[in-house]
Amino acid sequence: KAGVTQTPRYLIKTRGQQVTLSCSPISGHRSVSWYQQTPGQGLQFLFEYFSETQRNKGNFPGRFSGRQFSNSRSEMNVSTLELGDSALYLCASSWVGQLNTEAFFGQGTRLTVV
Amino acid sequence: GENVEQHPSTLSVQEGDSAVIKCTYSDSASNYFPWYKQELGKGPQLIIDIRSNVGEKKDQRIAVTLNKTAKHFSLHITETQPEDSAVYFCATQFSGGYNKLIFGAGTRLAVHP
Repeated sequence: KAGVTQTPRYLIKTRGQQVTLSCSPISGHRSVSWYQQTPGQGLQFLFEYFSETQRNKGNFPGRFSGRQFSNSRSEMNVSTLELGDSALYLCASSWVGQLNTEAFFGQGTRLTVV
Repeated sequence: GENVEQHPSTLSVQEGDSAVIKCTYSDSASNYFPWYKQELGKGPQLIIDIRSNVGEKKDQRIAVTLNKTAKHFSLHITETQPEDSAVYFCATQFSGGYNKLIFGAGTRLAVHP
């Protein structure tokens, strides 16, 4: 069974640009969550989608947005990139959108803003 | 608010020794406590988890204990091996948070041959 797939693996963008990251969850998983990982702030929750609906959102500015498609694939977008957005962006998928469900992570997308 | 404290931040042991990592959480409504291992260049890998109705869970050399009264849980690795070297994260899921996980800051474990 294929794991969580994130594309691209690496990305370099210029300050002010926007970027879109993609996540394909494990087959059958309908919940997708996104996290930002930085050395200073650790792993921080961005948002979670289930059945194409955002159910929860972390404390990030409105420049960070996401969506989920009918096949459960998800994308996240960051507009007007800032240097501080440089991070590893991780996607996690879960079987059903319930509490206490195991979350499986992808390899992440390493975003560098210059 | 939602908070998970993890200690120690770094841990160095000799191969064959045991390693213990401890986490404390703030929300008494938390009911799911996973542990993740992250190797360099990879995403976090779920290694073991425990739910609030269980006090201890074991999987070969790995065990997790939960004390809901004191609001802390711990990861125990016995007979450590060099391949156990990685960063370990504890996490908790709060009520009403759906699949939102709150992570500890991580523990860098080094196992020396």
